[in-house]
Amino acid sequence: QKEVEQNSGPLSVPEGAIASLNCTYSDRGSQSFFWYRQYSGKSPELIMSIYSNGDKEDGRFTAQLNKASQYVSLLIRDSQPSDSATYLCAVIPAYGNNRLAFGKGNQVVVIP
Amino acid sequence: NAGVTQTPKFRILKIGQSMTLQCTQDMNHNYMYWYRQDPGMGLKLIYYSVGAGITDKGEVPNGYNVSRSTTEDFPLRLELAAPSQTSVYFCASSYPQGGGWQQYFGPGTRLTVT
Repeated sequence: QKEVEQNSGPLSVPEGAIASLNCTYSDRGSQSFFWYRQYSGKSPELIMSIYSNGDKEDGRFTAQLNKASQYVSLLIRDSQPSDSATYLCAVIPAYGNNRLAFGKGNQVVVIP
Repeated sequence: NAGVTQTPKFRILKIGQSMTLQCTQDMNHNYMYWYRQDPGMGLKLIYYSVGAGITDKGEVPNGYNVSRSTTEDFPLRLELAAPSQTSVYFCASSYPQGGGWQQYFGPGTRLTVT
């Protein structure tokens, strides 16, 4: 079982719509969860971090965490063409010196 | 702060050659990491360090070596380059913030081995 799974294929959304991304993780003891945005040819950029169950909102981004279901999601409201990127889910497992385990990412394409 | 810097940005190596990828951070972070990212894939941890003089293996350490003589620098050494090491390499550093540890990435080094 992979530590972090992002199984959805590329996501195309119209401009102004909501993009929804999902991620599951295997280590029940994980405490820290992150979403990174990566533009093509660039390095990952941290956009959201969440540490407790529930929702966390930052501008047009909302991260949702459900530790019982081992599930974390990212909503992008009012999607803009500049949101077109790959979104990487990352988790710090309970073991291992704060190292991040990454999912393979989901590509989002916002269509004007 | 310059943050995390990496050199070179691009490099082409022949099979069997060696090289060192440089990584420097000016934020006084104790934790530093090296990742590789293959096309269409997430990042895989190669090596990490929790402070000067302390390093440990990640998921994919074979063919690589690291050292950490100072807090600022964390070079990655490739010995006997192989085509399988063609990838984009990212260095990162982290510090505790807001109840957790957040990692910040350098711009990456794109390496091709032919």
